[in-house]
Amino acid sequence: KAGVTQTPRYLIKTRGQQVTLSCSPISGHRSVSWYQQTPGQGLQFLFEYFSETQRNKGNFPGRFSGRQFSNSRSEMNVSTLELGDSALYLCASRSAGGSAYEQYFGPGTRLTVT
Amino acid sequence: GQNIDQPTEMTATEGAIVQINCTYQTSGFNGLFWYQQHAGEAPTFLSYNVLDGLEEKGRFSSFLSRSKGYSYLLLKELQMKDSASYLCAVRTDQTGANNLFFGTGTRLTVIP
Repeated sequence: KAGVTQTPRYLIKTRGQQVTLSCSPISGHRSVSWYQQTPGQGLQFLFEYFSETQRNKGNFPGRFSGRQFSNSRSEMNVSTLELGDSALYLCASRSAGGSAYEQYFGPGTRLTVT
Repeated sequence: GQNIDQPTEMTATEGAIVQINCTYQTSGFNGLFWYQQHAGEAPTFLSYNVLDGLEEKGRFSSFLSRSKGYSYLLLKELQMKDSASYLCAVRTDQTGANNLFFGTGTRLTVIP
């Protein structure tokens, strides 16, 4: 079974631009969560999507948004990029079963804002 | 809110045993996770504890005390490949099933 894939793997943008990142979960997984990882803050939860609906959202400004498609693929968008948005963006997928507590992370997209 | 504390860095010798501690304060508790993350790679799942006690999985064991807000990850027979960051994360009732609050991680260096 293929793992979680994320595209692109690396991205360089300038301040003020917007960016869209993509995540394809493991086949059969319907839950996708997004995290931001920075050296100072560690891993921080952005949001979770399940069956095309945002189920939870972390403490990030409205410039961060996402969506999920019917095939469970998910995208996140960051508008009006700031230097502080430079980070590794990880998505994780999970099957929706009752005992499915384990989430599988993708390799991440490293975003650099200049 | 939630707060997780872990040591920032630890060093241990190949073949030895190391214990990485994690303390947490949270409103609502629904499980504690340990993840391993090698530099430049995605985190990988190591263990999950929701009840008090020790969970053993090969060279890795994880312990939880809910009354003390405390967990540890025990790594035995250390190997050089165990050099990585170890992330403690809690799941709370408020954040939902798949949303974890992570500590900043403990960077473990294994030396010969």
